[in-house]
Amino acid sequence: RKEVEQDPGPFNVPEGATVAFNCTYSNSASQSFFWYRQDCRKEPKLLMSVYSSGNEDGRFTAQLNRASQYISLLIRDSKLSDSATYLCVVNGGYGQNFVFGPGTRLSVLP
Amino acid sequence: DAGVTQSPTHLIKTRGQQVTLRCSPKSGHDTVSWYQQALGQGPQFIFQYYEEEERQRGNFPDRFSGHQFPNYSSELNVNALLLGDSALYLCASSFGDSGANVLTFGAGSRLTVL
Repeated sequence: RKEVEQDPGPFNVPEGATVAFNCTYSNSASQSFFWYRQDCRKEPKLLMSVYSSGNEDGRFTAQLNRASQYISLLIRDSKLSDSATYLCVVNGGYGQNFVFGPGTRLSVLP
Repeated sequence: DAGVTQSPTHLIKTRGQQVTLRCSPKSGHDTVSWYQQALGQGPQFIFQYYEEEERQRGNFPDRFSGHQFPNYSSELNVNALLLGDSALYLCASSFGDSGANVLTFGAGSRLTVL
C-alpha cells in the first residue's frame, strides 16, 4: 500500500461547481498535513495546511480525520484558474520527510 | 525576498553521464530537500540536508548523492545516468528539520536522459 493515496482523477467540472478531493495515508503517526497545488510544468505551491479541527480559506475547505487517516479538500464555486493538480502531503513528524500523494488533476471548464 | 532558486532549468544528458544540480534555499531557511518528479506522478523524496548532513534518505540508489554547503545551498549529483532518471528534480527548503514547517519549492531542473 502506498503511503499516501488520492482519487485518481482527472476531475472535469464546469465553472461554479463544487468539487471534493479525497486522500488517505498509511502512517498513523503522521503529524502534519497539507494540500499543495501544482500547475502544469510548474513547481508545487502550498495551498493550505490541514488542521485537526478543519480549516477554511475562502472557497477552500480542508478536513482531517485522524481515526480514519483521511484528508479531504473541498473547492466551492470553481474558477477556471483552479485548474491544476492537487497534491496531498503528509509528514510523520520530527525527523520525518514529507510524503506526497500522486495528485489529482482538476480541469474547470467554461 | 528571494525564493528557492535552482539551476540549470533544463538539461539534456546521455546514458552513463553524470549531472550536478544546484539549489539555493529561500532566505531564512536552513534545510534543503530534493525530490524527483516523473511525468504524471507526485514528487518522490530523494534526501534531506540539514546542518550540512544528510538527515534522511528515500528509496534511491547510491548513484544519487548530495551535499549542503555552509551557506545552506545544496547540490544533487547523479552518476551513471539511466533513461529512467529523466524527470523534474525539485529542491524544497524549510526551516529546521522538525517536519512541522512547510516546504517552499524551486521551479525545478528538468533533466532529459537520452
